[in-house]
Amino acid sequence: EVQLVESGGGLVQPGGSLRLSCVVSGVTFTTKWMSWVRQAPGKGLEWVVHVSPDGSETKYVDSAKGRFIISRDNAKSSFYVQMNSLRVEDTAVYYCVEWGQFDNYWGQGTLVTVSS
Amino acid sequence: DVVMTQSPLSLPVTLGQPASISCRSSQSLVYTDGNIFLHWFQQRPGQSPRRLIYQVSNRDSGVPDRFSGSGSGTDFTLKISRVEAEDVGVYYCMQYRHWPHTFGQGTKLEIK
Repeated sequence: EVQLVESGGGLVQPGGSLRLSCVVSGVTFTTKWMSWVRQAPGKGLEWVVHVSPDGSETKYVDSAKGRFIISRDNAKSSFYVQMNSLRVEDTAVYYCVEWGQFDNYWGQGTLVTVSS
Repeated sequence: DVVMTQSPLSLPVTLGQPASISCRSSQSLVYTDGNIFLHWFQQRPGQSPRRLIYQVSNRDSGVPDRFSGSGSGTDFTLKISRVEAEDVGVYYCMQYRHWPHTFGQGTKLEIK
């Protein structure tokens, strides 16, 4: 069974930082592109960042550039996003997403709330 | 950024009747090798999204055959041949031909 388990969400003040983690099991993690996709309360989906299987290629949506840093540890089948200088508009459920050629899996999401 | 425009945004359907959702992209989604980088997702109430269709018309494993996708270039369609109660939710198209990858606004399907 494939599982993606996110953690690290919570309440943080504007300007603060959080680190989200995702542990993946049931797939060959080292061959998968991984992404964080977020969903603001009552809103649609927004792709935030993704990382290649070996970690050499990363892409960020403009609003995350310079503030978010994605990384992965293939030995631990885990990947992360360090989120700095958080803004109220970053409030969302953050989903960890695995992209295979013929499969696609989402975690249950972790809620990040940026509020004073 | 590539804008993905879905219509309708709200779709009330009678059980057993067909449903159709349109998705239009502001740029072509055709890659140099001819593949078209367009997915469809379903998000049931309170659940994470689930991919239904990849590369325009290929059903993901476990997806009922009442779901089908079609289209080319910039115009795409998701069809449900006979809507069932479990199909209630929001449907999104997504392009991954251009960065940043972008989603449509979502179409909320409800039972009349």
